[in-house]
Amino acid sequence: EDQVTQSPEALRLQEGESSSLNCSYTVSGLRGLFWYRQDPGKGPEFLFTLYSAGEEKEKERLKATLTKKESFLHITAPKPEDSATYLCAVQAGANSKLTFGKGITLSVRP
Amino acid sequence: KAGVTQTPRYLIKTRGQQVTLSCSPISGHRSVSWYQQTPGQGLQFLFEYFSETQRNKGNFPGRFSGRQFSNSRSEMNVSTLELGDSALYLCASSLTGRPHEQFFGPGTRLTVL
Repeated sequence: EDQVTQSPEALRLQEGESSSLNCSYTVSGLRGLFWYRQDPGKGPEFLFTLYSAGEEKEKERLKATLTKKESFLHITAPKPEDSATYLCAVQAGANSKLTFGKGITLSVRP
Repeated sequence: KAGVTQTPRYLIKTRGQQVTLSCSPISGHRSVSWYQQTPGQGLQFLFEYFSETQRNKGNFPGRFSGRQFSNSRSEMNVSTLELGDSALYLCASSLTGRPHEQFFGPGTRLTVL
C-alpha cells in the first residue's frame, strides 16, 4: 500500500528564516509526486509536480526537489503570507488516485 | 478559465438522512475525483470518474456513491448519514487523471448532527 509521511507536523518560522519541509514516500511505481498548499477553509491549491528523481521545480520562494525516497519543499526567506498547510501526495502505478500525507502546518511570524 | 466549482458549500444534516453533493470540473477536464478530508485521517480518496465510468474506488462503505454526467459534471451521494461522515468533501478535476495534476474545488463542508 502506498504510504506518504510528512515531517514535521508543524513548523514555526520567523519571517526571512529559510527552512525545508520533508515528504517521504513508499510506493510501487511512482508516476508523480505533487505538492499542494491549503489555506483554512479552502481546497488545496496545486503548487508542483515532480516525476523523477533529481527533478527540481521553483516558484517564487518555493523550490521542490525529489529523490527516490523523499521530496523536500524548500522555503527561502518566507513571509507571513506563506503561512498555510503544505500537502504532499503521490500517484503510483496504473492508479490515478492521489495518496496524501497528513500535511505540515507552517506558521511564519512577522 | 473558471476553476472547479462545488455546491453547496455548507450542509447540515441529521443522522440517517442522505445527501447529494455536486461538482463542476474545469472546462475540458474529463476526470473527476472525490476526497474526504477530516482532521484525524487527512485527505482520503473516495472514487474517480472518467467518461461517465467509475475508474477507481477507495476504501469507503457502499453508502458512498457517485456518478458522472456526459458534460463531466459529477455528483456524490452519501446515504444513511453517520456522525463520522462529518467532513470537508473535495472534488478535483484533471485532464485525464494519469498522471496529470488534479485541481481542487473549495469543498463542501458537511456537518452531521
